[in-house]
Amino acid sequence: DVKVTQSSRYLVKRTGEKVFLECVQDMDHENMFWYRQDPGLGLRLIYFSYDVKMKEKGDIPEGYSVSREKKERFSLILESASTNQTSMYLCASSSLARSTEAFFGQGTRLTVV
Amino acid sequence: LAKTTQPISMDSYEGQEVNITCSHNNIATNDYITWYQQFPSQGPRFIIQGYKTKVTNEVASLFIPADRKSSTLSLPRVSLSDTAVYYCLVGEVASGAGSYQLTFGKGTKLSVIP
Repeated sequence: DVKVTQSSRYLVKRTGEKVFLECVQDMDHENMFWYRQDPGLGLRLIYFSYDVKMKEKGDIPEGYSVSREKKERFSLILESASTNQTSMYLCASSSLARSTEAFFGQGTRLTVV
Repeated sequence: LAKTTQPISMDSYEGQEVNITCSHNNIATNDYITWYQQFPSQGPRFIIQGYKTKVTNEVASLFIPADRKSSTLSLPRVSLSDTAVYYCLVGEVASGAGSYQLTFGKGTKLSVIP
């Protein structure tokens, strides 16, 4: 069974902290994505990656960075967490051959206080 | 990337057939139409994809007219467990060269009423 695993289901961090959200997939997928989801705003793409060490900005990259040192792992980094980054964060992956069929993790509910 | 437009919300009674229409006027020749379903507190789940005419699987049917400028997701005889947000996406299936951006909109919130 295919799996995308996010390191934490719930996370509480303080303003100004550096936060790492980790995502691992076991499907050998080339594409990986980070989204945030807020009520009334749908899913918004933060960053995506189509290969190791490759990254592309999505619609809302400000305040975030990413790292993809290995094919199976895609990390989202909040350099200095702020309260407006309180949100649900979702990681997804897909293959190059079937890019539109993405598999999602369960999400990380991040609260910044 | 082709932009999509779908209703924000829909209500339906249990046992009815539900049709959710998505408009994508600028769809490109190589684009496929893909639908996802998202239950509360879960990530979205791929449910169906098509290029033209009709596609059916165990979950839903997808109807695509000849001009491909719209598509309709059909859920037969919905139950309370079909209450979810449904997203329509348009894009190339095989991104080949990479740099593929999977963009979701706000989706359609379907509420099934007993």
